[in-house]
Amino acid sequence: DAGVTQSPTHLIKTRGQQVTLRCSPKSGHDTVSWYQQALGQGPQFIFQYYEEEERQRGNFPDRFSGHQFPNYSSELNVNALLLGDSALYLCASSFGTGVQPQHFGDGTRLSIL
Amino acid sequence: AQSVAQPEDQVNVAEGNPLTVKCTYSVSGNPYLFWYVQYPNRGLQFLLKYITGDNLVKGSYGFEAEFNKSQTSFHLKKPSALVSDSALYFCAVRPRGQAGTALIFGKGTTLSVSS
Repeated sequence: DAGVTQSPTHLIKTRGQQVTLRCSPKSGHDTVSWYQQALGQGPQFIFQYYEEEERQRGNFPDRFSGHQFPNYSSELNVNALLLGDSALYLCASSFGTGVQPQHFGDGTRLSIL
Repeated sequence: AQSVAQPEDQVNVAEGNPLTVKCTYSVSGNPYLFWYVQYPNRGLQFLLKYITGDNLVKGSYGFEAEFNKSQTSFHLKKPSALVSDSALYFCAVRPRGQAGTALIFGKGTTLSVSS
């Protein structure tokens, strides 16, 4: 049973560029959340998708956007990259709105030069 | 603002000794509480959760956590530490009544178990 998979594992971009990160949820899960984990910090919630719509959003600017596809996979897009966007981006999946724990992927390490 | 505090950046224990990793939270209502562990270059792995009921919850790998409502704390414990328990531990809360299931994380505590 495949868990949460993210691609790519590493990415290097320059300031001002745009990036797309991808996530496939664990089998049977329909909800995808994205988190940003800066070095030495805990993950910070970016947004959550359910039924192809953004259900909840954290305190991130509009440069951060996302999408969920009919097969529940998801993309995170970041425009106009800043140095401060360098971080580990984690995708987590879960089922519905209950209290089942979120399952995390291994993340995409994004470095901005 | 809602927040989670993990007051210790690092906890050092000897193998075989009990361990405690502390967590307190400032969230209105009665949130759901979670502990996750992160190994180097990996995502987070779920350890245990508190929803309601018994204040002592048991989780994976022999870990347990004690919920204290009056102190708004949810400390992670293990009776006998293993070297393989060395990792980064995160406490997280999920406020009840929100539209989604977003988690609020602490900044993490590095557990180092020496042999």
